[in-house]
Amino acid sequence: AQTVTQSQPEMSVQEAETVTLSCTYDTSESNYYLFWYKQPPSRQMILVIRQEAYKQQNATENRFSVNFQKAAKSFSLKISDSQLGDTAMYFCAFIQGAQKLVFGQGTRLTINP
Amino acid sequence: EAQVTQNPRYLITVTGKKLTVTCSQNMNHEYMSWYRQDPGLGLRQIYYSMNVEVTDKGDVPEGYKVSRKEKRNFPLILESPSPNQTSLYFCASSLVEPSSYNSPLHFGNGTRLTVT
Repeated sequence: AQTVTQSQPEMSVQEAETVTLSCTYDTSESNYYLFWYKQPPSRQMILVIRQEAYKQQNATENRFSVNFQKAAKSFSLKISDSQLGDTAMYFCAFIQGAQKLVFGQGTRLTINP
Repeated sequence: EAQVTQNPRYLITVTGKKLTVTCSQNMNHEYMSWYRQDPGLGLRQIYYSMNVEVTDKGDVPEGYKVSRKEKRNFPLILESPSPNQTSLYFCASSLVEPSSYNSPLHFGNGTRLTVT
């Protein structure tokens, strides 16, 4: 079964710092997709960044980037120059040929002023 | 505005009283899905639909029903709600199956359900 594990239930950093959220997954397939979703207090689910497994280059979206280590089945999210608006729950998710995203447990990130 | 609309946003009910959570999308998406979010468990899929009249079970379908009679609507039905169905529910849609890279999931704003 496909599983996604986020080992950090909560994290807290100061504004402008860089923070890295961890995610590991389990699959026997070679092609799949990985995602990070942000859920602010408004509850809305917002797609932050996505990565195709066959692409070796790490995805980047402005201050958000990933460190994709395929052999280690690791997909961490780095947020640079963190802002108060980055405070949210972050979910790592995985999809591979099936009709659903499999989500991790989530990491609650707090950015302190 | 392209969006997925869920109603109601909050719902408190009692055990056994049938309820329906509505979901509608205006993007002509083929794929729709329901998830429930629980602390420490992330989001888990309840049911999904690849197209009109085509639905299938996700990981946690027990106690739920869905229908897809029109492309835009995908209601979630709890025939006899129980307290263990207290959760945050999300409807989501995508152009085609979400395994397609160019078909990201669009989520509704969630429905907080409490069953007493």
